[in-house]
Amino acid sequence: QKEVEQDPGPLSVPEGAIVSLNCTYSNSAFQYFMWYRQYSRKGPELLMYTYSSGNKEDGRFTAQVDKSSKYISLFIRDSQPSDSATYLCAMSTYGNNRLAFGKGNQVVVIP
Amino acid sequence: DVKVTQSSRYLVKRTGEKVFLECVQDMDHENMFWYRQDPGLGLRLIYFSYDVKMKEKGDIPEGYSVSREKKERFSLILESASTNQTSMYLCASSSLRYEQYFGPGTRLTVT
Repeated sequence: QKEVEQDPGPLSVPEGAIVSLNCTYSNSAFQYFMWYRQYSRKGPELLMYTYSSGNKEDGRFTAQVDKSSKYISLFIRDSQPSDSATYLCAMSTYGNNRLAFGKGNQVVVIP
Repeated sequence: DVKVTQSSRYLVKRTGEKVFLECVQDMDHENMFWYRQDPGLGLRLIYFSYDVKMKEKGDIPEGYSVSREKKERFSLILESASTNQTSMYLCASSSLRYEQYFGPGTRLTVT
């Protein structure tokens, strides 16, 4: 079983829709959770960072962590064509500098 | 803002050549990482460094070496480039927190 599982997509949505992305993981020691956005032929950029369980909101983006289910989610409200990218989840345990990444989920927002 | 720069955006090398990829970060981060990213395989860690002159093997170190002589600079060396090393190479850095910041990537083609 892979440590982090992420559906690769692609996920196509109309402009203005809510985009829902998720990752599941197997290591219950993960405490630090990140979402990255990667445009084509560019490096990943950090989008959201959360610690332990709960929700975090930043503008149109909401990150959720459910440690009991080993499940994290990213929601994008009022999606825009500029949100078309690959979204990667990443996570780490306490004291570990390495991140475990999902393979990424491609999102296409259709105008 | 954290800035991670990589020496080249695109590079074409011949089989057997020695290849140097350089990464510089300007945020005084302790940790630096080299990944390669391939379609369907996601991000894979090659090497990382948590201090000057210190290095640790990642998941796929074979065929690569690294050098970290200064805190801000981390070099990836392909001793004898092969066609299966054609890939997108990404450098990242992090402080004592867990989130990593990525450079723009180097698209390396070995012919």
